[in-house]
Amino acid sequence: EVLLVESGGGLVQPGGSLRLSCAASGLSFSGHFMDWVRQAPGKGLEWVGRSRNSAGSPTTENAASVEGRFTISRDDSKNSLYLQMNSLKTEDTAVYYCAGDIGYCSGGTCYSRYYYWGQGTLVTVSS
Amino acid sequence: DIQMTQSPSSLSASVGDRVTITCRASQNIANYLNWYQQRPGKAPNLLIYTASNLQSGVPSRFSGSGSGTDFTLTISSLQPEDFATYYCQQSYSSPRTFGQGATLEIK
Repeated sequence: EVLLVESGGGLVQPGGSLRLSCAASGLSFSGHFMDWVRQAPGKGLEWVGRSRNSAGSPTTENAASVEGRFTISRDDSKNSLYLQMNSLKTEDTAVYYCAGDIGYCSGGTCYSRYYYWGQGTLVTVSS
Repeated sequence: DIQMTQSPSSLSASVGDRVTITCRASQNIANYLNWYQQRPGKAPNLLIYTASNLQSGVPSRFSGSGSGTDFTLTISSLQPEDFATYYCQQSYSSPRTFGQGATLEIK
């Protein structure tokens, strides 16, 4: 069974920092792209960023809304994905999900899909 | 960025009804379109990938169609567990973008 377990969420003041972790088990973590997706309270899903596997380039990519503030990294030896969040704003309040992009190829074309999701961790930015 | 627009944003239906949700992309995305179901308080769950492929374990009452800019998710006969929010998502280019969601409520 594949499990993605996020941790590290909590309450932080505006301007503060937080580091989220996503521990993966049951899948070949190093071979897959892993993304962070967030959901503000009562709102829809928003892509935050991507960590590609060692064969991918660029290795990471961020949404414009978090560029320069959030950093995605991974440690394949620990089957873990991280999201370092700095200069947090109230609008960053959300449940943060890690999602496993298990791509596949058909007819010479490759596709991606969020095959696995963690349960999410809540980040609240408030004074 | 590619904008994804779903309609309707919410709908009421009864058990046994046939329901269709549409998703429109702001540019041609071929068949790079996935659908997810999200129940309250839970993580999203992959339903349909590449526009029309049913994810393993998903009931056959769910189906997807479309290509280019216009896509549909159809539930042929609603069951109580289907009342949830549904999101489309394009995987054609970065940044990945989602529709705003379509919430299916019990009439």
